[in-house]
Amino acid sequence: SQTIHQWPATLVQPVGSPLSLECTVEGTSNPNLYWYRQAAGRGLQLLFYSVGIGQISSEVPQNLSASRPQDRQFILSSKKLLLSDSGFYLCAWSGTGNEQFFGPGTRLTVL
Amino acid sequence: AQSVAQPEDQVNVAEGNPLTVKCTYSVSGNPYLFWYVQYPNRGLQFLLKYITGDNLVKGSYGFEAEFNKSQTSFHLKKPSALVSDSALYFCAVRDLSSNDYKLSFGAGTTVTVRA
Repeated sequence: SQTIHQWPATLVQPVGSPLSLECTVEGTSNPNLYWYRQAAGRGLQLLFYSVGIGQISSEVPQNLSASRPQDRQFILSSKKLLLSDSGFYLCAWSGTGNEQFFGPGTRLTVL
Repeated sequence: AQSVAQPEDQVNVAEGNPLTVKCTYSVSGNPYLFWYVQYPNRGLQFLLKYITGDNLVKGSYGFEAEFNKSQTSFHLKKPSALVSDSALYFCAVRDLSSNDYKLSFGAGTTVTVRA
């Protein structure tokens, strides 16, 4: 069966510091991968998605970037965090079935 | 273009009563429709999907949803709600005529089931 992992689970970072969040998927090959941000426990904002290694589509211009160095690894990064980057970050994957399966999330607080 | 609307921010029901969470969608072509549930500080869990076929779709935890093409709706239902069903529910859509796999999510509906 497929599983998706995210780490860390929680992170507290000062403004201006770098960020690296990691997502890995097991039990499937060539998944589509997605990064979302959820603010205040409400709606989801799609940040990036990837259909293959090195292929990244950005949905919202901002302080963040994404990379996919391996087939089942998706990384969300920032060189300098802003207060507005605080939120709950969710990674998801999808295959041929179209539904997306979500990881447990990372709670990021920028102080 | 594709979009989803969840007209109710909050739904409150008593345990044992029927639960309905509303969703309407807008697509250019035919829709793929999905429901997810989220518990506090957790990722979204997939409940069910409509792709084609029978308009009544059954999913996890006793939930079902009815696809209504004329009303462009995909309401989530449960005949008898449990306190443990209290959570945040999201409807999502993908337009089959689009070239990507992106889903559009609604703003979410908070369900509270009181004992």
